[in-house]
Amino acid sequence: RKEVEQDPGPFNVPEGATVAFNCTYSNSASQSFFWYRQDCRKEPKLLMSVYSSGNEDGRFTAQLNRASQYISLLIRDSKLSDSATYLCVVNPPRGGGGNKLTFGTGTQLKVEL
Amino acid sequence: DVKVTQSSRYLVKRTGEKVFLECVQDMDHENMFWYRQDPGLGLRLIYFSYDVKMKEKGDIPEGYSVSREKKERFSLILESASTNQTSMYLCASSSQGRPNTFGSGTRLTVV
Repeated sequence: RKEVEQDPGPFNVPEGATVAFNCTYSNSASQSFFWYRQDCRKEPKLLMSVYSSGNEDGRFTAQLNRASQYISLLIRDSKLSDSATYLCVVNPPRGGGGNKLTFGTGTQLKVEL
Repeated sequence: DVKVTQSSRYLVKRTGEKVFLECVQDMDHENMFWYRQDPGLGLRLIYFSYDVKMKEKGDIPEGYSVSREKKERFSLILESASTNQTSMYLCASSSQGRPNTFGSGTRLTVV
């Protein structure tokens, strides 16, 4: 089983739609979780951290379900500019120094007129 | 804003050449990382450093080495480039417990 699994998509949605992505992780001892956004041929950029109680940033809501070991990202009122690949990121305990994030392969979102 | 700068955006090298990819960060971060990204495989960690002169192997270190002589600089070295090392290489840095900030990437083609 992969450490972090995501549906690759693509998710094709009309502008204004609500879309949700899930991501599952295998290491139950993982402590921190993030969503990154990556535009075509660009570097990944941090979208938001995911907190145990769930958190919202404008049109974006992230949630964590530790019991089922998944995190989710909800995008409301989708914009054309939301078209990108969304990477689920987990920080599993690996030992050694520092923190080493594990990235999912990403879910592609295409928002259409 | 943290800035992570990679020396080259695009690079073409010949098989067998020694290749240096340079990365510099300006926020005094302890941690620095090198990843490669390939279609369908996502981001894979090559090497990691949490302090000057310290390094740890990531998930795919074979064929690569690294150097961190100064805190702000982390170099990735391909001792003898091969075609299967054609990829997008991404450098990142972070402070302890914080998520990574990435450089803009180097697209390396080995011919």
